Amino acid sequence: DGGITQSPKYLFRKEGQNVTLSCEQNLNHDAMYWYRQDPGQGLRLIYYSQIVNDFQKGDIAEGYSVSREKKESFPLTVTSAQKNPTAFYLCASSTWTRGDYGYTFGSGTRLTVV
Amino acid sequence: DQQVKQNSPSLSVQEGRISILNCDYTNSMFDYFLWYKKYPAEGPTFLISISSIKDKNEDGRFTVFLNKSAKHLSLHIVPSQPGDSAVYFCAASAWANNLFFGTGTRLTVIP
Repeated sequence: DGGITQSPKYLFRKEGQNVTLSCEQNLNHDAMYWYRQDPGQGLRLIYYSQIVNDFQKGDIAEGYSVSREKKESFPLTVTSAQKNPTAFYLCASSTWTRGDYGYTFGSGTRLTVV
Repeated sequence: DQQVKQNSPSLSVQEGRISILNCDYTNSMFDYFLWYKKYPAEGPTFLISISSIKDKNEDGRFTVFLNKSAKHLSLHIVPSQPGDSAVYFCAASAWANNLFFGTGTRLTVIP
């Protein structure tokens, strides 16, 4: 079955450490996205990539970095520069198919700073 | 500035009754609208969509209405079931560009 896999599901980070969240899709989607969800704030876009080797900042990119070396993979690194990294992180991918457009989401990674 | 707004953070409905979730948007260039459903600790799942050339789209118990002049869309769930209890996000895009999401409405269906 095609889908998006995010790992790990839970991640703990010490202050000052960088951590990388994995996102892999086998849907052959061109575009991939990273969102952050905080209580009462909905989904906020961190980074997105429309094609391999290209990505753009979203609304809250500070303290994060990404790479898109393969179509299937879009890892997100939460750096020590991110002041409030504790949140639920969602990866998504998209493509136009038969006139339908929408995102397919992974199951998320909950990051906690300890 | 929030381009897609869901002004009701929560809604409680009795089982079997209708649930109406509302969404407003500000960007007149939006031409495609979607609703997603999200359970705790899971990713959102696609529920139903509508393009700007329509004013209604129906899929089983779920119907989305679009009022372009008012820049307003709504999701109707009838009859509501306890399994519908979740957070619902509306989203909008212009010409298949990035989706803009609302802040979500938590629906609780009371048995």
